[in-house]
Amino acid sequence: QQQVKQSPQSLIVQKGGISIINCAYENTAFDYFPWYQQFPGKGPALLIAIRPDVSEKKEGRFTISFNKSAKQFSLHIMDSQPGDSATYFCAARPGGYQKVTFGIGTKLQVIP
Amino acid sequence: EPEVTQTPSHQVTQMGQEVILRCVPISNHLYFYWYRQILGQKVEFLVSFYNNEISEKSEIFDDQFSVERPDGSNFTLKIRSTKLEDSAMYFCASSESSSGANVLTFGAGSRLTVL
Repeated sequence: QQQVKQSPQSLIVQKGGISIINCAYENTAFDYFPWYQQFPGKGPALLIAIRPDVSEKKEGRFTISFNKSAKQFSLHIMDSQPGDSATYFCAARPGGYQKVTFGIGTKLQVIP
Repeated sequence: EPEVTQTPSHQVTQMGQEVILRCVPISNHLYFYWYRQILGQKVEFLVSFYNNEISEKSEIFDDQFSVERPDGSNFTLKIRSTKLEDSAMYFCASSESSSGANVLTFGAGSRLTVL
């Protein structure tokens, strides 16, 4: 019940295309859903996050869509660029706790 | 931009040896964490630390692991008797708060290889 399931594990997108990464969870106690971006040799860095009281959050080219009833959330990267090539992790944290549970990660490659 | 620094970047050790991984969190952060990432797998929570004590730990964080804040700046993870399966990238993170939009800032990691 603590798991966050993420798909796909790898994704190749043409430059300018839309990258979509999906996540699903079971634990209804989760109340904070961040996405992290990790470049090789670096630690994960917070990209964007959402709470379940909103259905969408947009920051620049990055959008989180959240479906509370389906317990699913997704990251959309519009106009994908080669510089977006990285591993993306969805994550979730239950209210009142500090532990962040990560998905397995999606390795995104944006090709010119 | 403030960052979390970790040392060493890579450590190779023999099975059964003790290892200490060091971290300097961001100076005004109050909450400190260790996560690990086994090669090709997801990032896993180990422990969180606040006010000089463990506030949460996972089932992975058994008696062979310990954490300490020996002075005002360092935060360490000790593995008493390393096993082959402890080989992983260990990430330290810190945050200002534990609730709300607590933004975890991660270090670059310490790669531990147990032979």
